[in-house]
Amino acid sequence: AQSVTQLDSHVSVSEGTPVLLRCNYSSSYSPSLFWYVQHPNKGLQLLLKYTSAATLVKGINGFEAEFKKSETSFHLTKPSAHMSDAAEYFCVVSYTGTASKLTFGTGTRLQVTL
Amino acid sequence: GAVVSQHPSRVICKSGTSVKIECRSLDFQATTMFWYRQFPKQSLMLMATSNEGSKATYEQGVEKDKFLINHASLTLSTLTVTSAHPEDSSFYICSASPSTGSSYEQYFGPGTRLTVT
Repeated sequence: AQSVTQLDSHVSVSEGTPVLLRCNYSSSYSPSLFWYVQHPNKGLQLLLKYTSAATLVKGINGFEAEFKKSETSFHLTKPSAHMSDAAEYFCVVSYTGTASKLTFGTGTRLQVTL
Repeated sequence: GAVVSQHPSRVICKSGTSVKIECRSLDFQATTMFWYRQFPKQSLMLMATSNEGSKATYEQGVEKDKFLINHASLTLSTLTVTSAHPEDSSFYICSASPSTGSSYEQYFGPGTRLTVT
């Protein structure tokens, strides 16, 4: 079965400092990996996705993630946090090719302080 | 583009009654739609996958007679919670996968908060 593990349930950073949200996935031949963000009372928004192309994936709002097969990781990073980045972040995996079933991690709540 | 709406955004109903939640893809056609449930401060759990014109596929442990799903058109799927009980109170989120383009793309609705009293 496919699964993802988000290693931190809560991360707090100061505005302007780097962000690192960690995600590990269960090994599979060809996973597709995603990061979604959920702001309060808003729908999930796709930040970025990896689908077996370039291992370093750039997303919206300055976020990026690197697919590391040897470590089965897909950590999300941002060089400089902004107050508006405060939200819940979900790492998501899919292994099926069509109308994919997504399996969500447990989420990481990012807090950004002044 | 790729907007998914849900209606209502929040609903309160009495125990024993039924409530219907609509999920619409506003600017694209979606052969497949998904229904998720999210408990407070927890992740999203896939409840069922619905394909236009056919029966929904339910995940293990989800009662198909309690959570009725209908996907009558390429832009509308509905979830009806029948004989609701307080334990059904949750945040229900739908997503839609476009009929054309990348098959792994899913666009999420804003969610419906159901409270059963």
